[in-house]
Amino acid sequence: AQSVTQPDIHITVSEGASLELRCNYSYGATPYLFWYVQSPGQGLQLLLKYFSGDTLVQGIKGFEAEFKRSQSSFNLRKPSVHWSDAAEYFCAVGAREKLIFGTGTRLQVFP
Amino acid sequence: DAGVIQSPRHEVTEMGQEVTLRCKPISGHNSLFWYRQTMMRGLELLIYFNNNVPIDDSGMPEDRFSAKMPNASFSTLKIQPSEPRDSAVYFCASSFWGEPGPGNQPQHFGDGTRLSIL
Repeated sequence: AQSVTQPDIHITVSEGASLELRCNYSYGATPYLFWYVQSPGQGLQLLLKYFSGDTLVQGIKGFEAEFKRSQSSFNLRKPSVHWSDAAEYFCAVGAREKLIFGTGTRLQVFP
Repeated sequence: DAGVIQSPRHEVTEMGQEVTLRCKPISGHNSLFWYRQTMMRGLELLIYFNNNVPIDDSGMPEDRFSAKMPNASFSTLKIQPSEPRDSAVYFCASSFWGEPGPGNQPQHFGDGTRLSIL
């Protein structure tokens, strides 16, 4: 069965520090992978997507993610976190007819 | 371009009342999804449509919930009668259903309706 695991429920980093949010997926075919961000009181906004090709994907707001087929992972990274990055982050895998979302990782940023 | 538009943004009503949530998808998108988000259950897919036709409503929790899409630019999610456990944030999302299916396309979310049933 298709599934997405985000093992970190809550992560705290200092502003300016680097960030890596983990995502592992289970899917039988070539996955379509997405990262979304949700700020308080808002809907989910697409950060980046992976369909095929280069395994390092660039997104908005300075985020990038790397697809590693051997590890079934699609981790999100940012070299220097800003206070405005505090939000909840969702990883998702595209099954044929819908997206399967992970449970999310809440990012807290300290000044 | 206008994104997905949901109304109302907030709804507070008493138990037993009928609640109707509305969604206008992005023009040109042919798939529409309704989600519910709570602290306990996270993000749940309730139902989705392709070309205005319901494809999968297995996520609809009870018969009290119903959804319609009378045309390509409008959908409603109705709860009748409402109960306190229906309190949640309800999101609508739209995408373009290409081949092999909409799962390979990003979904665009509205800002949600925060529903409180007293």
